[in-house]
Amino acid sequence: EAEVAQSPRYKITEKSQAVAFWCDPISGHATLYWYRQILGQGPELLVQFQDESVVDDSQLPKDRFSAERLKGVDSTLKIQPAELGDSAMYLCASSLAGGQGNEQFFGPGTRLTVL
Amino acid sequence: AQKITQTQPGMFVQEKEAVTLDCTYDTSDQSYGLFWYKQPSSGEMIFLIYQGSYDEQNATEGRYSLNFQKARKSANLVISASQLGDSAMYFCAMRGRNFNKFYFGSGTKLNVKP
Repeated sequence: EAEVAQSPRYKITEKSQAVAFWCDPISGHATLYWYRQILGQGPELLVQFQDESVVDDSQLPKDRFSAERLKGVDSTLKIQPAELGDSAMYLCASSLAGGQGNEQFFGPGTRLTVL
Repeated sequence: AQKITQTQPGMFVQEKEAVTLDCTYDTSDQSYGLFWYKQPSSGEMIFLIYQGSYDEQNATEGRYSLNFQKARKSANLVISASQLGDSAMYFCAMRGRNFNKFYFGSGTKLNVKP
């Protein structure tokens, strides 16, 4: 069964360091989402791609976060420099474009701890 | 503005009993989709059930059913015959027409007691 792949699964870093997360969506899924989830809360959308284009990055802290999906397939989310408040689960999801019935498929997430 | 509200931070249910998790939504879109996801302590998000805004019948998937009341803008999840493995966070989400963006509620933590 097709799955969304994410790596690493866990990341521990010190503040002011750079971190990067990778996501490979399900083949054929044009829409890719990056979410941040604080423990006990719902996912918060950071950035949404349609193919290689960003369609929503209104909640992305652009002074330290960046995201790219150069060939419209896999994607990288980077944080530089990391801050203590960035400790969270980072979830990647993908879906088919178009149609309200297309659910998101989530990857296993990357749990980030900033010390 | 699009918004999902889940008013129950935590719920308890006895094993084998049914439980209803509440979800209300706000949207100006005429066409939208409503979803429920389960998130166990391991962290992965698992899709449970979908309801389209134009669907006349309530969606069902095994032990999960969605009580959709369009006029009241509610989409409650009903889990029948609760099992210990149902203990998890449950999120209600909506997909609107605006670039297919998803909006999530704050979640309900369900604990199933033996």
